[in-house]
Amino acid sequence: AQSVTQPDIHITVSEGASLELRCNYSYGATPYLFWYVQSPGQGLQLLLKYFSGDTLVQGIKGFEAEFKRSQSSFNLRKPSVHWSDAAEYFCAVGAQGRDDKIIFGKGTRLHILP
Amino acid sequence: DAGITQSPRYKITETGRQVTLMCHQTWSHSYMFWYRQDLGHGLRLIYYSAAADITDKGEVPDGYVVSRSKTENFPLTLESATRSQTSVYFCASSIAGPQETQYFGPGTRLLVL
Repeated sequence: AQSVTQPDIHITVSEGASLELRCNYSYGATPYLFWYVQSPGQGLQLLLKYFSGDTLVQGIKGFEAEFKRSQSSFNLRKPSVHWSDAAEYFCAVGAQGRDDKIIFGKGTRLHILP
Repeated sequence: DAGITQSPRYKITETGRQVTLMCHQTWSHSYMFWYRQDLGHGLRLIYYSAAADITDKGEVPDGYVVSRSKTENFPLTLESATRSQTSVYFCASSIAGPQETQYFGPGTRLLVL
C-alpha cells in the first residue's frame, strides 16, 4: 500500500524568500503524486500533479515540484513567496492502475513573515 | 454555477443523535468522496462513490453510512454520533477517479457534544 510523509508540520519563511516543502512517498511502482493547498476556512485546491514524463512539474500560482524516484520524493518549490501563500499544503500519492483512492499526507502549514 | 456545495456549514449535535451531511455537485462528475480532517491526521477518506448506486469504504468508514441515488448528491450519515466524530468534513468530486483533479467543497464543521 502507498503512504506519504510530510516531515515538516510548520514552515515559516519571509515574504519574497524561496520555499521548499518536503514530501516523501512509499510505493513499489511509479506513483501518481499531487500537491493540494488549503487556504484558511476553505476546501482544498489542486496545485499540480505528476503522472509520468517530465519529472519537473509546473503548477498554478507559480509553484513547481520535482519527482525524484531515487529519493522517493516530490518536493514543492516556489522561488519567491507572497503573503497570500500562507496556507496548509498537502502532498498526496495514488497508485497507477488503481482508481480507488489517493492517500494524503498530514500537511505542512506555511507561515509568511512580512 | 455553484460547483460543489455542502450543507450545513456548521453543526452542533449530541452524542447518539443521527446527523446527515449533504453534498451536491453541479458538474455531473462520476466520482465523489467524503473526507474528514483532524489535527495531526490530515485528510482521511471515509467513503467514495464511482457512480450512482456504487459506493465503497475508505480508510475510516466505521460509524458512517453513505448513499448515492443521484449522480449529483452524496449524503453522509452519522447513524449515532460520537464525540470522536467531531471533525471537519469535506466532500469532493472528480471526473473519472481520485487520480484526476478532485474539487473540494467548503467543508462542514461538526461538533458532537
